[in-house]
Amino acid sequence: EADIYQTPRYLVIGTGKKITLECSQTMGHDKMYWYQQDPGMELHLIHYSYGVNSTEKGDLSSESTVSRIRTEHFPLTLESARPSHTSQYLCASSGLLMGGSEAFFGQGTRLTVV
Amino acid sequence: QKEVEQNSGPLSVPEGAIASLNCTYSDRGSQSFFWYRQYSGKSPELIMSIYSNGDKEDGRFTAQLNKASQYVSLLIRDSQPSDSATYLCAVNSDSGGSNYKLTFGKGTLLTVNP
Repeated sequence: EADIYQTPRYLVIGTGKKITLECSQTMGHDKMYWYQQDPGMELHLIHYSYGVNSTEKGDLSSESTVSRIRTEHFPLTLESARPSHTSQYLCASSGLLMGGSEAFFGQGTRLTVV
Repeated sequence: QKEVEQNSGPLSVPEGAIASLNCTYSDRGSQSFFWYRQYSGKSPELIMSIYSNGDKEDGRFTAQLNKASQYVSLLIRDSQPSDSATYLCAVNSDSGGSNYKLTFGKGTLLTVNP
């Protein structure tokens, strides 16, 4: 079983609030990813990281930001939440082998902005 | 733009039949290929990985890779109602240097009818 954890699992928050979604993994993986997914829809990559102090924007433009100060931790922050940010956010990580390792997902955070 | 294409379905098969799921990718440099299963409201779960041309079998699942045709498939034998889910094809594509980015297809919805 993969050791990647996301908190909180569910979050309902008011418009304009600042939120941070937590993601941690204990597998020593160098690559980490954030995906956004609406119900019944495809996964959209919004951020990824190849290692400490390395972050890149994904294919879908997002108002969120990420940081990678420690290998195991990849939090996602929204400075001012809006109803359009309502979605499921999925964190994943993959291992050290170049091009040869599988990615494992956390359980996700379902965010609702009211 | 690196792309991974899948038929969105839905693909409907009777219980006990073989389900065949297909995926094509555009990046010839891709080296790693994965199939994930995602139940409604849940995170994607890795079910198969394949790195070289040919077939790879694991229980009722067989992954097939043809790099010359840029094609990867998943066969599910003796399909069960519990196999009903969305199946995501994922490819590690070269993002430059030694870094690879995991790109997902939109997924194929499979329904197995009792």
